[in-house]
Amino acid sequence: EVQLVESGGGLVKPGGSLRLSCAASGFTFSGYYMNWVRQAPGKGLEWVSSIGSINTYIYYADSVKGRFTISRDNAKNSLYLQMNSLRAEDTAVYFCARDPYCDGGTCYSDYWGQGTLVTVSS
Amino acid sequence: EIVLTQSPGTLSLSPGERATLSCRASQSVSSSNLVWYQQKPGQAPRLLIYGASRRATGIPDRFSGSGSGTDFTLTISRLEPEDFAVYYCQQYGSSPRTFGQGTKVEIK
Repeated sequence: EVQLVESGGGLVKPGGSLRLSCAASGFTFSGYYMNWVRQAPGKGLEWVSSIGSINTYIYYADSVKGRFTISRDNAKNSLYLQMNSLRAEDTAVYFCARDPYCDGGTCYSDYWGQGTLVTVSS
Repeated sequence: EIVLTQSPGTLSLSPGERATLSCRASQSVSSSNLVWYQQKPGQAPRLLIYGASRRATGIPDRFSGSGSGTDFTLTISRLEPEDFAVYYCQQYGSSPRTFGQGTKVEIK
């Protein structure tokens, strides 16, 4: 059974940093693109960042470019999101998700974690 | 980037009725690279349809997707109580992937 479990969320002050983790199991992690999607309270879904199967093909949304860094450790079946210079508008539930198919680097997701809440507030 | 506009914002229907949800793209979505997700409160999105019309594993056949180019539709033939949720479309034909704003299907 495919499982994705996020951790690392919490309350952080504006300008602060946080590192999210996503532990994957039930599939060959190294064979898939992975991504982070966020959802602000009561709002829709927003893609944040994607990474190819071997730390290549890394992409970011304009809203987080230069502040967030995605990475993965295939030996540990884990995905990460380092978030720096956090802003109030980064407040959201952050989901990690598996991408089974990509067309030209743009993908869709078939399995999602339950998410971890990041709150940026003073 | 491609902007996806979903309509209506809210659909009020009774169990057993047919639901028709629309997703319109600001430009053509290549290769019908469009998916539909279902999301219930406090839960992660669940993949329903990929490639505009292909049901994901384990999805009941009352869910169907259609469309191409700029106009896509998700149809739920007969609503079951568990189908009341928010539905999102997402395109993966052009970078970056983008989502529609969602359609809420609520019990009338």
